[in-house]
Amino acid sequence: AQKITQTQPGMFVQEKEAVTLDCTYDTSDPSYGLFWYKQPSSGEMIFLIYQGSYDQQNATEGRYSLNFQKARKSANLVISASQLGDSAMYFCAMREGGNFNKFYFGSGTKLNVKP
Amino acid sequence: NAGVMQNPRHLVRRRGQEARLRCSPMKGHSHVYWYRQLPEEGLKFMVYLQKENIIDESGMPKERFSAEFPKEGPSILRIQQVVRGDSAAYFCASSPRGEGASGNTIYFGEGSWLTVV
Repeated sequence: AQKITQTQPGMFVQEKEAVTLDCTYDTSDPSYGLFWYKQPSSGEMIFLIYQGSYDQQNATEGRYSLNFQKARKSANLVISASQLGDSAMYFCAMREGGNFNKFYFGSGTKLNVKP
Repeated sequence: NAGVMQNPRHLVRRRGQEARLRCSPMKGHSHVYWYRQLPEEGLKFMVYLQKENIIDESGMPKERFSAEFPKEGPSILRIQQVVRGDSAAYFCASSPRGEGASGNTIYFGEGSWLTVV
């Protein structure tokens, strides 16, 4: 089974609107961490936000928030007030308590922000 | 992101040649990871190294691929006798510590794009 599933290959959003990028995960480990990365066309991987499995509150970092629904095993990324510079690939990733040294990545969602 | 240095950024090799990708971790980081990104896919773990030790190479292909992180100098990912299927982006990442730090991200370099012709 896939550890991380991102079901939206591509998304469009109007500038200044909010957008939600979906991510579901699969693990039996009670301890895990969930991450989102942004990969612009230049190729680098930029860390955006982290959510721990024991965190009671949803993580937020500026315009990014993570909608963590543990029972559903989902960790959707919400970007508020989209900007043109948000156009990029977005990857959801997970690391498990049994092996924190290995990240599992989803296949990504390509976000296009329209002016 | 700044600080993990990878080179070359782009590398073209003919089938059968060798490719060497180098990675210098961020200052103060002693843990290095290599990931591979095939076209239109997410990153896949290859290997995790500390200085002079391979800790986890469960994601490395059994043949032609090797990695090292010597006491001095950068980490090297070496691909011998490259084939077209090796064409991918190879990302190096580093962290100050490894296991046990669940909340710590790893910091990626800008990637090395290998094209095999």
